[in-house]
Amino acid sequence: KAGVTQTPRYLIKTRGQQVTLSCSPISGHRSVSWYQQTPGQGLQFLFEYFSETQRNKGNFPGRFSGRQFSNSRSEMNVSTLELGDSALYLCASSRTSSGRATYNEQFFGPGTRLTVL
Amino acid sequence: AQKITQTQPGMFVQEKEAVTLDCTYDTSDPSYGLFWYKQPSSGEMIFLIYQGSYDQQNATEGRYSLNFQKARKSANLVISASQLGDSAMYFCAMREANKFYFGSGTKLNVKP
Repeated sequence: KAGVTQTPRYLIKTRGQQVTLSCSPISGHRSVSWYQQTPGQGLQFLFEYFSETQRNKGNFPGRFSGRQFSNSRSEMNVSTLELGDSALYLCASSRTSSGRATYNEQFFGPGTRLTVL
Repeated sequence: AQKITQTQPGMFVQEKEAVTLDCTYDTSDPSYGLFWYKQPSSGEMIFLIYQGSYDQQNATEGRYSLNFQKARKSANLVISASQLGDSAMYFCAMREANKFYFGSGTKLNVKP
């Protein structure tokens, strides 16, 4: 079974530009979550999508947005890039987005390393 | 309050020895899941072990075991017979309702 894939793996942008990152979950997984990882802030939750609907959202400005398609693939968009947006962006998929503590482990992709100059 | 606390920013262990990485969590929900992930320098997060809040026994996966003390709200990871390839960042995480919370991580260095 193929794992979670993220494209591109590396990206260099300049301030003010916008960027779109893509994530393909494991086949059969309907939940996709996005995280930002920086040395200073650690792993921070951005948002989670389940069946094309945003189920949860972290404390990030509106410049960060996402969507999920009917095939569960997800995209994350960051507009008006700032230097502080430089980070590793990780996508994770899981089988469900259940409120119960079922075994719904998240499988992570390799990440997209974004550098903003 | 922090949902997940990892108090050891860095740890050293001699190859072939066992090491315990600490994790405490905070929740009032009786239903939750606890996870440990390994992140090598390549960046990919690798799932190691899972413990459900209702599980009676401590989880084990090969050389990894989770020392689950529910009353203390701790979920320490024990790695037995450390190997050089175990050198990495280790993250403790909790799934509560629909959200995942991660600790700040512990950087483990295995010395030859």
